[in-house]
Amino acid sequence: DIQMTQSPSSLSASVGDRVTITCRASQTISSSLNWYQQKPGRAPQLLIFAASSLQSGVPSRFSGSESGTDFTLTISSLQPEDFATYYCQHKGTFGQGTKVEVK
Amino acid sequence: EVQLVESGGGLVQPGRSLKLSCTASGFTFGDYTMNWARQAPGKGLEWVGFIRSKAYSGTTEYAASVKGRFTISRDDSKSIAYLQMNSLKSEDTAVYFCTRVVDTTLVDFDYWGQGTLVTVSS
Repeated sequence: DIQMTQSPSSLSASVGDRVTITCRASQTISSSLNWYQQKPGRAPQLLIFAASSLQSGVPSRFSGSESGTDFTLTISSLQPEDFATYYCQHKGTFGQGTKVEVK
Repeated sequence: EVQLVESGGGLVQPGRSLKLSCTASGFTFGDYTMNWARQAPGKGLEWVGFIRSKAYSGTTEYAASVKGRFTISRDDSKSIAYLQMNSLKSEDTAVYFCTRVVDTTLVDFDYWGQGTLVTVSS
């Protein structure tokens, strides 16, 4: 089975910061990687699909990239509404999640 | 507007069964693979399984943790997906989400329901 290792598990940041979250696959998965945002008490929301495609309606400050088996979610300038938990996902496997907290 | 509404959650004793429903609206239900995911209290997301559309033979896939105990089915005439859960264990306690799958190969979930809580306890 393919394992997805997401890091960090949490991070502290300020509004306006550039934030990066990484997900590493245990083997090549091509571009089959999606990113979600989840706020407390809410269902997750799809941000990025196929590693780098921005879901409709998602702000352009969110972007995704890949390099081999490493995938990165970047928030170019963190906004107050972006404090949340982020998950990567490859088919039937989710990453462990990254909680973005206020510094 | 696409909407997914889960129902059927509640408190159930270990070893018993429960059936969840996901009622969809706002899109052609029969054209989409439908998926279930769950989230234990304070924990991360876990994939449960999905059922492909009839165009892809309506076949199912399950996580190892639920295979043989859980069954996903669908009624395209009613736009409802079901999750039949048997032999429930305490570790099945979670919020269960229904999701729509955009691409059956990529398995990306573009719409999620609000979730329904299942508590397995004596």
